[in-house]
Amino acid sequence: NAGVTQTPKFQVLKTGQSMTLQCAQDMNHEYMSWYRQDPGMGLRLIHYSVGAGITDQGEVPNGYNVSRSTTEDFPLRLLSAAPSQTSVYFCASSALASSYNEQFFGPGTRLTVL
Amino acid sequence: DQQVKQNSPSLSVQEGRISILNCDYTNSMFDYFLWYKKYPAEGPTFLISISSIKDKNEDGRFTVFLNKSAKHLSLHIVPSQPGDSAVYFCAASAGSQGAQKLVFGQGTRLTINP
Repeated sequence: NAGVTQTPKFQVLKTGQSMTLQCAQDMNHEYMSWYRQDPGMGLRLIHYSVGAGITDQGEVPNGYNVSRSTTEDFPLRLLSAAPSQTSVYFCASSALASSYNEQFFGPGTRLTVL
Repeated sequence: DQQVKQNSPSLSVQEGRISILNCDYTNSMFDYFLWYKKYPAEGPTFLISISSIKDKNEDGRFTVFLNKSAKHLSLHIVPSQPGDSAVYFCAASAGSQGAQKLVFGQGTRLTINP
């Protein structure tokens, strides 16, 4: 099992460009989420999904879109990149069989917006 | 408003001694707490958790203590080993529906010296 995979590992964008960060998991987990990590701020939840076709906003959703068409994939779209979106992005997944499950994280995507 | 705080950005401990990492929270609705460990260029990995119905949970060298009245939890690592050098994040969630929506602290960088 690959667990949670993220592509690309690194990306540099210019202000105003759009892109999609890919996330996939092979554990048949129902729950998937996106976090961003900034220095001195820990990880903050951007968007999450409790199953295919269901998404909701987290703490910092502005500037990002998500969709969940399959159980395995949960892409994060930046509509018009801004320097404030320079960050490390982590995707995570967990099973919903129990309310209190650990989340498994991918290796991250380091994004720089110039 | 930081609901989960780790006030020590860094901690240095000698190999073989006890490492104590601290975490404070402000939201009294939090009822589940987790510790994650993160190495550079990797995603966070789950370490140990505790439910609010307990005040202690042990797993090998790792013990988490929860003081609900003080809204404080701590992670003890005994004995500390060089491989424990990493950034440690405290995280919390509220209620069964929100159990997957984690709120993270800023992280504490632990360095174990030989």
